[in-house]
Amino acid sequence: GAGVSQTPSNKVTEKGKYVELRCDPISGHTALYWYRQSLGQGPEFLIYFQGTGAADDSGLPNDRFFAVRPEGSVSTLKIQRTERGDSAVYLCASSLMRAGGGTDTQYFGPGTRLTVL
Amino acid sequence: EDKVVQSPLSLVVHEGDTVTLNCSYEVTNFRSLLWYKQEKKAPTFLFMLTSSGIEKKSGRLSSILDKKELFSILNITATQTGDSAVYLCAVLTNTGNQFYFGTGTSLTVIP
Repeated sequence: GAGVSQTPSNKVTEKGKYVELRCDPISGHTALYWYRQSLGQGPEFLIYFQGTGAADDSGLPNDRFFAVRPEGSVSTLKIQRTERGDSAVYLCASSLMRAGGGTDTQYFGPGTRLTVL
Repeated sequence: EDKVVQSPLSLVVHEGDTVTLNCSYEVTNFRSLLWYKQEKKAPTFLFMLTSSGIEKKSGRLSSILDKKELFSILNITATQTGDSAVYLCAVLTNTGNQFYFGTGTSLTVIP
């Protein structure tokens, strides 16, 4: 597609439920990032994928959060036993790898607004 | 701890005014600094700055980086109501390819 897409755009769930958020990056972008953004805050880094592997998952807040990217394209962020504090907009971004290493500009998807009641 | 600080947190101006938004950073292994405009959900890319003293310009927007003093500014001249948004600054490091975002500056341009 032309840009990064995320589904669903909105998700309302009850405390304790499991949710999956999907990100479809720009075709050809090998780097994929997940962020969480709370109201009035900048995006907070969660996890970074280079290809299929999680190159850096240091931003995941606890073991209830997990993300996969099995074929190096679409990624799914999974949240178990959701808590009210998980309510936020979850943003996905993708970027190209530069020749010689390092990532280039990130392009963001529209985000998924998660509300945990 | 790596951090990015933006100021002011919010700003209200009249159409036609010029504004300067600030971003200072303290990170290990700095690679580049990026500015984004966020109107609804997705931040949209404005500029990427890697070298000191070289101004990047796009229409009424311009930005410059000072790697010695560890800050960047984003200028918007002749502001329009469509410039109303949150402007985010992010720093990319060479370590782990992480982007560190500031909290943003909320700009409101009133007619």
